[in-house]
Amino acid sequence: DQQVKQNSPSLSVQEGRISILNCDYTNSMFDYFLWYKKYPAEGPTFLISISSIKDKNEDGRFTVFLNKSAKHLSLHIVPSQPGDSAVYFCAASAMTSGTYKYIFGTGTRLKVLA
Amino acid sequence: ETGVTQSPTHLIKTRGQQVTLRCSSQSGHNTVSWYQQALGQGPQFIFQYYREEENGRGNFPPRFSGLQFPNYSSELNVNALELDDSALYLCAGGGRGEQYFGPGTRLTVT
Repeated sequence: DQQVKQNSPSLSVQEGRISILNCDYTNSMFDYFLWYKKYPAEGPTFLISISSIKDKNEDGRFTVFLNKSAKHLSLHIVPSQPGDSAVYFCAASAMTSGTYKYIFGTGTRLKVLA
Repeated sequence: ETGVTQSPTHLIKTRGQQVTLRCSSQSGHNTVSWYQQALGQGPQFIFQYYREEENGRGNFPPRFSGLQFPNYSSELNVNALELDDSALYLCAGGGRGEQYFGPGTRLTVT
């Protein structure tokens, strides 16, 4: 059972435009969410996080939106740059018995075209 | 630069063998998590250590075990290797709001 889903395996966007990456989850107990980007042969790089007490968090060109009722979050990158081309993962966690673990989606490959 | 390093970078082992992977955090993160990433998949949580104690485990068999040391470095041990254990193994340090990953160890089991 895939609790965190990234239904778009790939996305192509023109340089300078907005990239929107989507993530859906099924577990209503998830209350912390992270976004990562990953280049080949490197570990995932942390981008931005959001807790369930917020519906938006912004850091430079990256903004994450959380819609708890829809169990949906999205990452907006504005403006998109060729260097943003990578695989993007969302991850979600819930606190259970004093501990937590992150469940990752399968990733979306973003290609920013120059 | 995440301050998390892993060794070795690549490793080839034979089915049935045992392997130890290492992780160190230059930032002194007191929580370390280990993940397995198969090709085309997202990272899968193996377990987490906090102050040298296992503090949460994913759906991995007991032949996956770990250690965390007082200097916050960590080891992942896998016994009786199977072909399906071939994957990228990642460790991450940090708290709940931010987890910083190392570059990973690519394990190939033949």
